[in-house]
Amino acid sequence: GENVEQHPSTLSVQEGDSAVIKCTYSDSASNYFPWYKQELGKRPQLIIDIRSNVGEKKDQRIAVTLNKTAKHFSLHITETQPEDSAVYFCAASGLTGGGNKLTFGTGTQLKVEL
Amino acid sequence: DAGVIQSPRHEVTEMGQEVTLRCKPISGHDYLFWYRQTMMRGLELLIYFNNNVPIDDSGMPEDRFSAKMPNASFSTLKIQPSEPRDSAVYFCASRHRGGYTFGSGTRLTVV
Repeated sequence: GENVEQHPSTLSVQEGDSAVIKCTYSDSASNYFPWYKQELGKRPQLIIDIRSNVGEKKDQRIAVTLNKTAKHFSLHITETQPEDSAVYFCAASGLTGGGNKLTFGTGTQLKVEL
Repeated sequence: DAGVIQSPRHEVTEMGQEVTLRCKPISGHDYLFWYRQTMMRGLELLIYFNNNVPIDDSGMPEDRFSAKMPNASFSTLKIQPSEPRDSAVYFCASRHRGGYTFGSGTRLTVV
């Protein structure tokens, strides 16, 4: 089955700096890579996703890049703000057949300091 | 849309008791997933359904765990008998295409 590794497990940045979280996956058949943000005591919420036919996707301060050859993808947050502090999870899956289940990384605790 | 609705939000029960968690997916979503989240193990997929049919239950930890989806708008996850190590947050999620939408979760404490 799919295995997703995520690094770092904790990340502390100064407000206004950029943050980068990296993930690798094992199953070359995976073609869908979402990122979730989970604030303390709340549900994971989808913040951005990318499909395998695209190398990069951007939404305001958030961007995700995908390297299918190397089987890794990354989340980039620019101009970080205190409200960006949360746990971020990457995930991978296929989109059809038995590949519909998302396999999650272990999470990155991001702390944005004033 | 009210999103994915889970109940109860919190459940405290004694070891050995039966626990039933409930989920109402988003209307029109044909996939439903049950996840368990703990500090030690992160987000673990327990089971998922497609069009009310269980597709993969390989994540269900033991026979004490069972899940049903009698119709497109309702699913249950049952633990019988419950044990302290079952204490966790249980999330239900649904999807049609693309990303999952998670419910608010049920925080289960077994004492």
